[in-house]
Amino acid sequence: EDQVTQSPEALRLQEGESSSLNCSYTVSGLRGLFWYRQDPGKGPEFLFTLYSAGEEKEKERLKATLTKKESFLHITAPKPEDSATYLCAVQAYTTGGTSYGKLTFGQGTILTVHP
Amino acid sequence: DADVTQTPRNRITKTGKRIMLECSQTKGHDRMYWYRQDPGLGLRLIYYSFDVKDINKGEISDGYSVSRQAQAKFSLSLESAIPNQTALYFCATSDPRLAHTQYFGPGTRLTVL
Repeated sequence: EDQVTQSPEALRLQEGESSSLNCSYTVSGLRGLFWYRQDPGKGPEFLFTLYSAGEEKEKERLKATLTKKESFLHITAPKPEDSATYLCAVQAYTTGGTSYGKLTFGQGTILTVHP
Repeated sequence: DADVTQTPRNRITKTGKRIMLECSQTKGHDRMYWYRQDPGLGLRLIYYSFDVKDINKGEISDGYSVSRQAQAKFSLSLESAIPNQTALYFCATSDPRLAHTQYFGPGTRLTVL
C-alpha cells in the first residue's frame, strides 16, 4: 500500500525566513511525485511533478527536490501570500508497468507566513 | 471561466436524504475523480472514471455512487446521507497525455445534520 507522510503538520515563519517542508513516501514503483498548494476554501492547485531521484524544479520562491524516499519543498524568503496548505502526493506504476493516474495524498502542511 | 466546476458549492442536509454533487469540465480530459477531504486526513479517493464506460471504486466508496453522464460530467451521489459524510468534496480531471497531472475543482462543502 502506498503511503505519504508530510511534516511538520503546521509551520509558522516570519516573512523572509526560509525553511523546508518534508514529504516521506513508500510506493511500490514511483511514477511521479506531485506538489499542490491549497488555499482555504479552494481546490488544490498544481505546483510541480518530480519523476526521478535528483530531480529539482523551481517556481518563484519554491523549489522541490526528490530522493528515493522523500521530497522537500524549499521556500526561500517567503512572503505572507505564500501562506497555504501544501500537499504532496505520489502516483505509482501498476504491476503491469502502466499508471492509472491515481494519486495517494499526504495530510498536508499548513504554512503561515507572518509579515 | 473555470475549467472544472462543481455544484453546489455549499450544501446542508439532514440524515437520510439523498444528495447529488455535480462536476463539469471543459478541459477535454477523459479521466475524472471524486475525493473527500477531512481535517488531518488529506484527500481520499472515492471513485474514478477513465471514460464514460469505465468507472472504478476508490479507497472509500462505501455509501457513495457515481454516474458519468458524458465525458465532461461526473456526478457523485450519497443515497442516504449520514453525519460522518460531512466533508469537503473535490472533483478532479486528468489526461494521460499531460503526465496524469490532476486538476481540481473548487470543492463542495457538505454538512449532514
